[in-house]
Parts: sequence; structure tokens; C-alpha cells
Amino acid sequence: KAGVTQTPRYLIKTRGQQVTLSCSPISGHRSVSWYQQTPGQGLQFLFEYFSETQRNKGNFPGRFSGRQFSNSRSEMNVSTLELGDSALYLCASTSGSPGNEQFFGPGTRLTVL
Amino acid sequence: QQPVQSPQAVILREGEDAVINCSSSKALYSVHWYRQKHGEAPVFLMILLKGGEQKGHDKISASFNEKKQQSSLYLTASQLSYSGTYFCGTEQLRGAQKLVFGQGTRLTINP
Repeated sequence: KAGVTQTPRYLIKTRGQQVTLSCSPISGHRSVSWYQQTPGQGLQFLFEYFSETQRNKGNFPGRFSGRQFSNSRSEMNVSTLELGDSALYLCASTSGSPGNEQFFGPGTRLTVL
Repeated sequence: QQPVQSPQAVILREGEDAVINCSSSKALYSVHWYRQKHGEAPVFLMILLKGGEQKGHDKISASFNEKKQQSSLYLTASQLSYSGTYFCGTEQLRGAQKLVFGQGTRLTINP
């Protein structure tokens, strides 16, 4: 069974630009969660999608948004990039049922200059 | 609210044991444990559910004390491959799929 895939793996942008990251979950998994990891703040929850609906949202500004498609693939978008958005963005895949494991993808390393 | 992990860092010799704790001030539904090596994504180790049993595989096991809202990860006879940063992720609501992570515990295993 293929694992979670994320594209692109590395991205360099400048302030003010926008970026779209993609995540394909494990086959059969219907829930995708997004996390931001930085040295200062650690791993922080962004949002979670299940069956194309956002079920949960973390404490991030509206510049961070996401969506999920009918095949469970998910995208997250960050508009008007700031230097502080430089981070490793991870998506996690799970079946969506209570008590199920979340498996992380390799992440997208975003650098904002 | 972010769970608190202790210790923040630990250095062991190969073959020694380690215990990493994760404490929350909130009632928890589940605790998830991950290991992350430098430059890589977190790797799932195990999940403990409210009312569930202690889990374990190979020489890594974990427990969840519901009264204290604390989970402990036990690494027995540590191997070099156990080096990395260990995170606990806590889930407060059943099915929320939203994990709140601790700050991590850096484990270094020396030969």
C-alpha cells in the first residue's frame, strides 16, 4: 500500500506571493489533516478535511486555506506569504474513524524570502 | 492546550532504558506517539485510547493513565536506531482528528 505523498517537496517563494501544496492520502483514507512544523512553535494543527468538508480548524489566519477533492486528495493554500510562514508543512492521512492512526507524509519544506 | 513532555532531552548508551512522559491538563480521548528523525517526517509508533490497554511492540511500549491524563513511552534496551525526537499528540474529543503535540523529547543513543 502506497504511503502519503506530498508535492512539491521543496518550495522557495518571496513575500507576498501565494503557494499551493498538495497531499494524496493513503488509498481508502478519507481524512486529511494539515500541520505546520517550525523550530519555535513545533507541530501545530492547521485544519482537517473529511469527505470534502472541513471538520476542524486550528488557530491560523485566514490566509491559510484548504480543500479536499472527491478522490480525497487535498490541497492547502497560503496567500500573501510572510517570512514567518517558512516551515515544514505536513499532511496526515487517516481513515477518519475515532481512534485511528494518523500517518504523515514526507512534508513540503517552504522557504519564504 | 499543549501537552507537556518530559524530559526535554535524554542521552543514553546503547542498551539502556528510557521513559518519556506526556502530561495534559485537559481530559484526553487518545494519545498518539511519533518519532521523528532529523529532516524526516514523524513516524507513527502507537496510539492509546481512553479506556484502552497498554500497548507495545518489540521493545517500545506505552501506557495511558486516565486519572492523571498522562501517557508514558517506554524504550527498553535502546538501539542506535531509536535516536530521534519523540512527540506525543493528544486528541481531546473522540473523532476530532485534531492532534495537539507536545514540544518533543530529543533522544540520543550513543554506542
